[in-house]
Amino acid sequence: AQSVTQPDIHITVSEGASLELRCNYSYGATPYLFWYVQSPGQGLQLLLKYFSGDTLVQGIKGFEAEFKRSQSSFNLRKPSVHWSDAAEYFCAVGFNNNDMRFGAGTRLTVKP
Amino acid sequence: NAGVTQTPKFRILKIGQSMTLQCTQDMNHNYMYWYRQDPGMGLKLIYYSVGAGITDKGEVPNGYNVSRSTTEDFPLRLELAAPSQTSVYFCASSNQRGEAFFGQGTRLTVV
Repeated sequence: AQSVTQPDIHITVSEGASLELRCNYSYGATPYLFWYVQSPGQGLQLLLKYFSGDTLVQGIKGFEAEFKRSQSSFNLRKPSVHWSDAAEYFCAVGFNNNDMRFGAGTRLTVKP
Repeated sequence: NAGVTQTPKFRILKIGQSMTLQCTQDMNHNYMYWYRQDPGMGLKLIYYSVGAGITDKGEVPNGYNVSRSTTEDFPLRLELAAPSQTSVYFCASSNQRGEAFFGQGTRLTVV
């Protein structure tokens, strides 16, 4: 069955520290892969996407993600976190153009 | 640029009442979606549409209905509101490559 898993419900990092948010999916083929960010009371904003080609993709706000086919993973990274990065992050997987599934989300807290 | 617009932003319904959540997009996207978001559960797909006149069920369609008479509009109908439908509802549209654009959400409480 198609599924998206974000193993970490809540992560706390210190400002300036590096960040990695995990995402795994279950699917027989390579899907479209996305990371979205949601600030409190807001809709979702696209951070970055992977469709094909280079497995390391760059997004907005200094984020990047790496697709690893062998691990069925698409982890989000940022080298140095800012206080304004505190939000909820969702991994999403497009299994075809009609069906996009979301992970449960990871809430990021940034300590001063 | 309006993007995806949802109305209303907030609503309180009594059990058994009905209502329609409105969604419109101005990007000429064929694909549109309705999701509900519950704490710790991520977004669950309710219904989606691949174009005017075509709709299909997602993961959690029970208790909801949709229609798609135009490319721009994709309203979500709750016929008999239940407390289990208390949630935040998001409408989205996507381009051919699956990049989704979301509305600001509708917070619905059923009491």
